[in-house]
Amino acid sequence: SQQGEEDPQALSIQEGENATMNCSYKTSINNLQWYRQNSGRGLVHLILIRSNEREKHSGRLRVTLDTSKKSSSLLITASRAADTASYFCATEQGAQKLVFGQGTRLTINP
Amino acid sequence: DADVTQTPRNRITKTGKRIMLECSQTKGHDRMYWYRQDPGLGLRLIYYSFDVKDINKGEISDGYSVSRQAQAKFSLSLESAIPNQTALYFCATSALGWQPQHFGDGTRLSIL
Repeated sequence: SQQGEEDPQALSIQEGENATMNCSYKTSINNLQWYRQNSGRGLVHLILIRSNEREKHSGRLRVTLDTSKKSSSLLITASRAADTASYFCATEQGAQKLVFGQGTRLTINP
Repeated sequence: DADVTQTPRNRITKTGKRIMLECSQTKGHDRMYWYRQDPGLGLRLIYYSFDVKDINKGEISDGYSVSRQAQAKFSLSLESAIPNQTALYFCATSALGWQPQHFGDGTRLSIL
């Protein structure tokens, strides 16, 4: 079963706008990770946020985590065409393996 | 050179055939994973290995087997392929189980 559920399933925005993707999960976690997948390629790790952290930044990426609501969001600021990809959240629940969500397909229009 | 290499990249085969997908890594990681990705779905874990002597079933292990030949090599086998095993297969590694995983570029497998 999928632990993480991403919302929306697909998002299309104009270049330069901000993109926000959400992830909800069902059980307690140790950490939550976000990955990007370009078409035809493997997943690439973007950012990891631990359960005791609320916010984390990496370049144009901002991730928040609300453990009381069992949810996380990924914000990409000032989007670029190269940001077009699918984005997945993955949760680590203490079994030392990740459970991935179904992903958000992001399209950046020029 | 890629840190995690999967071979072959593409494979078309027939129902009933035995297929082996191979994964090798140069990252020196102990932990290796096999995932399956179907269109519109996330990744589902097939098998994982925490070291050469440790093999564990994942969420969807039926119809699959694995072999961890060395720290750097982890193979996935389909003993008798069936059409619903048509999917994109990924190998991944990590230093520790909770740390970020590093993925290969996948094997696109089609079973006719």
